[in-house]
Amino acid sequence: GEDVEQSLFLSVREGDSSVINCTYTDSSSTYLYWYKQEPGAGLQLLTYIFSNMDMKQDQRLTVLLNKKDKHLSLRIADTQTGDSAIYFCAESPGGYNKLIFGAGTRLAVHP
Amino acid sequence: EAGVTQFPSHSVIEKGQTVTLRCDPISGHDNLYWYRRVMGKEIKFLLHFVKESKQDESGMPNNRFLAERTGGTYSTLKVQPAELEDSGVYFCASSPQGASTEAFFGQGTRLTVV
Repeated sequence: GEDVEQSLFLSVREGDSSVINCTYTDSSSTYLYWYKQEPGAGLQLLTYIFSNMDMKQDQRLTVLLNKKDKHLSLRIADTQTGDSAIYFCAESPGGYNKLIFGAGTRLAVHP
Repeated sequence: EAGVTQFPSHSVIEKGQTVTLRCDPISGHDNLYWYRRVMGKEIKFLLHFVKESKQDESGMPNNRFLAERTGGTYSTLKVQPAELEDSGVYFCASSPQGASTEAFFGQGTRLTVV
């Protein structure tokens, strides 16, 4: 079956690291994605990782993939108030663009 | 270059009425997708067009929903008659021909059925 699960809410202090976790079920997914939705805006692709990789780093973002456990995480270093948003984990079963999303994790950054 | 645009941004209609949502993909993108997020839950796939053809409509909830993409450019999603459970945010996305690592999303249409 296709199911992506993530915790619904995370609160962090400005300057700390944030870690958002996600579990997925479809082992055929070629890519796994993190999307960000700011208030009143659409979905913005933050980063993605190819399924044969364990880690991908892009500036303040680090994605870790544990394929055995079907676990994906997004770490945001030095979290800023501008990082406050909803973060969606998504998988792409079958390797094409049909995306299976989680319910989203709302990240709140406080001073 | 313009991104994916959706109209209207908000719509409030009464149960039983008809609503048509529109999506203009990025120019030249063959793939067009509709998704829906209901009540803060997960974003769910509705259907996928390749040019004007429906490639996958497995996510369409029922026959009250009709999607079209005449001429392979913009797409419409009509809900007739609307029910309360149709309320949510409807997202459109597009991507270039073939497999792509990124689908570009519009800002969504928030539909409220009262």
